[in-house]
Amino acid sequence: DSGVTQTPKHLITATGQRVTLRCSPRSGDLSVYWYQQSLDQGLQFLIQYYNGEERAKGNILERFSAQQFPDLHSELNLSSLELGDSALYFCASSVDGQNTEAFFGQGTRLTVV
Amino acid sequence: LAKTTQPISMDSYEGQEVNITCSHNNIATNDYITWYQQFPSQGPRFIIQGYKTKVTNEVASLFIPADRKSSTLSLPRVSLSDTAVYYCLVGEVDTGRRALTFGSGTRLQVQP
Repeated sequence: DSGVTQTPKHLITATGQRVTLRCSPRSGDLSVYWYQQSLDQGLQFLIQYYNGEERAKGNILERFSAQQFPDLHSELNLSSLELGDSALYFCASSVDGQNTEAFFGQGTRLTVV
Repeated sequence: LAKTTQPISMDSYEGQEVNITCSHNNIATNDYITWYQQFPSQGPRFIIQGYKTKVTNEVASLFIPADRKSSTLSLPRVSLSDTAVYYCLVGEVDTGRRALTFGSGTRLQVQP
């Protein structure tokens, strides 16, 4: 158990819908990262937050958005979903957000039908 | 952003030492080398991180030559449970301006 909690574990939704994925970082970790992993694309970095502020942005679509709340949990919002958005979405956290050891959650498996 | 190149797959047998080499020819002065392990349908797990020479922990060793253009992850006496994908990542550690980027990884298959 990494100490990072992601909910829900599984999510099935229809195209065009909007979903919210939630991540609770390890106690004491200030930084949260979001990654998308699909079968044909590997692990893609989406976005990173540090203590509530966006720190780094990767290949995140405009239909996707995220935020980190004052209690440090984070949410990833995916809207206008397409079949190609089906993937495992991982959240990771680290103490300082400086690319030292990051702890990953078990992921949320999103299936868009 | 330093690009990494790793073998796509490797096979080994239980009890053998496995060395996975990663090339990162354009590594920058401030970049560190980090390795993660990932089992199917699980999040990656940090293995080891280093800047130069050799780093060892209870799980693995990381060898980095003086020019730092490559690195080798060494797993001593592998077991079936070491079957996983191993990722080599290169990036800044001190500023954290960019999150580490995962490449395609090396799929290690350990046979009995």
